[in-house]
Amino acid sequence: GAVVSQHPSWVICKSGTSVKIECRSLDFQATTMFWYRQFPKQSLMLMATSNEGSKATYEQGVEKDKFLINHASLTLSTLTVTSAHPEDSSFYICSARIPVSYEQYFGPGTRLTVT
Amino acid sequence: AQSVTQLGSHVSVSEGALVLLRCNYSSSVPPYLFWYVQYPNQGLQLLLKYTSAATLVKGINGFEAEFKKSETSFHLTKPSAHMSDAAEYFCAVRPPGKLTFGGGTRVLVKP
Repeated sequence: GAVVSQHPSWVICKSGTSVKIECRSLDFQATTMFWYRQFPKQSLMLMATSNEGSKATYEQGVEKDKFLINHASLTLSTLTVTSAHPEDSSFYICSARIPVSYEQYFGPGTRLTVT
Repeated sequence: AQSVTQLGSHVSVSEGALVLLRCNYSSSVPPYLFWYVQYPNQGLQLLLKYTSAATLVKGINGFEAEFKKSETSFHLTKPSAHMSDAAEYFCAVRPPGKLTFGGGTRVLVKP
């Protein structure tokens, strides 16, 4: 099956710094990737949809200037949390969709802790 | 707009007993439906999917789900629970648009 990787798997950063999370589709090309946020014991909340070569589409309430998404190639999307604060601490999961398919494949997630 | 409701945020079953996780959906168009499993600190793994073919769908790890249009349901079952089934389970629906998740059901398996 299709494999999606994320790096890093966990990261601790200080308040005010920026953190970049990478999402890669390892054995397929993904024109569309998704970024989700998951709080403890809760469901996944879609943050944004990114299409290769174009600007990401953010969900209502998600600050596009804080959560910068870049999808520069068909196998890589990045999420940068800028000027991170403790309330940004969460589990971030990316997902990639194979072109013309209804299936999404999920990465293993990145645990972000902002101190 | 579509939505997904999972009845019961927690389910406790004995090892060897039936696992039943309930999912009801609403969708303005014929849906695709999915069940995912999430183990602690991991991403989501697809268990099974319904895409307008057979209404009884078999997935991995012995799970299956039945699509019932009249009840707008897509309940997940497994005849005999195993300790390794302890995890969080999410039902999801699409189209139209993006994948929409239910609130999740945490399964606890008692020895």
